[in-house]
Amino acid sequence: GQNIDQPTEMTATEGAIVQINCTYQTSGFNGLFWYQQHAGEAPTFLSYNVLDGLEEKGRFSSFLSRSKGYSYLLLKELQMKDSASYLCAVRGSDSNYQLIWGAGTKLIIKP
Amino acid sequence: EPEVTQTPSHQVTQMGQEVILRCVPISNHLYFYWYRQILGQKVEFLVSFYNNEISEKSEIFDDQFSVERPDGSNFTLKIRSTKLEDSAMYFCAAQGTGVTGELFFGEGSRLTVL
Repeated sequence: GQNIDQPTEMTATEGAIVQINCTYQTSGFNGLFWYQQHAGEAPTFLSYNVLDGLEEKGRFSSFLSRSKGYSYLLLKELQMKDSASYLCAVRGSDSNYQLIWGAGTKLIIKP
Repeated sequence: EPEVTQTPSHQVTQMGQEVILRCVPISNHLYFYWYRQILGQKVEFLVSFYNNEISEKSEIFDDQFSVERPDGSNFTLKIRSTKLEDSAMYFCAAQGTGVTGELFFGEGSRLTVL
């Protein structure tokens, strides 16, 4: 079957760095997405990886290893507004390139 | 300007009633999706729409659900006879036309079935 695993919840301190991991097992692979979702709001796009390596975008970076079925989202210089759920989603190669979603990691930032 | 606009933002209805949720995307998108998210749970795919036709639907999208594009721009998700377990956030999303093809989500419609 197809599966995406990420931790349910993480806690970090304002100003620190946190790494949120995501492992996946899917039928084919056509890219991995990270979305941020604040409580009661819609997911918003953060990053996209399709090749191995690190993609950096400001305070956020995302890493992909296709051979390991593994990705992480790295958040630096954490701010209170970063408290949100972070969703990992993989685009497979069947079913019209449908996204397979993880359950999300709730990140709690403490002062 | 948001890529996708949804109405209503919140709807309360009685069990068994019909509900229509609306989505207005910017016209240059080709693929559209409806997702559901029950409070505290993961995003669940309902249906995808391409070229004015349903391209895929999940097992959740049973006979009580339907999706239409009545005027070539707006999308509607209709739930014919709502059940208590239909209470959720319903998101419409448009797929970007760039290389990544990321999804742009509307702000969602919160449906509460009493």
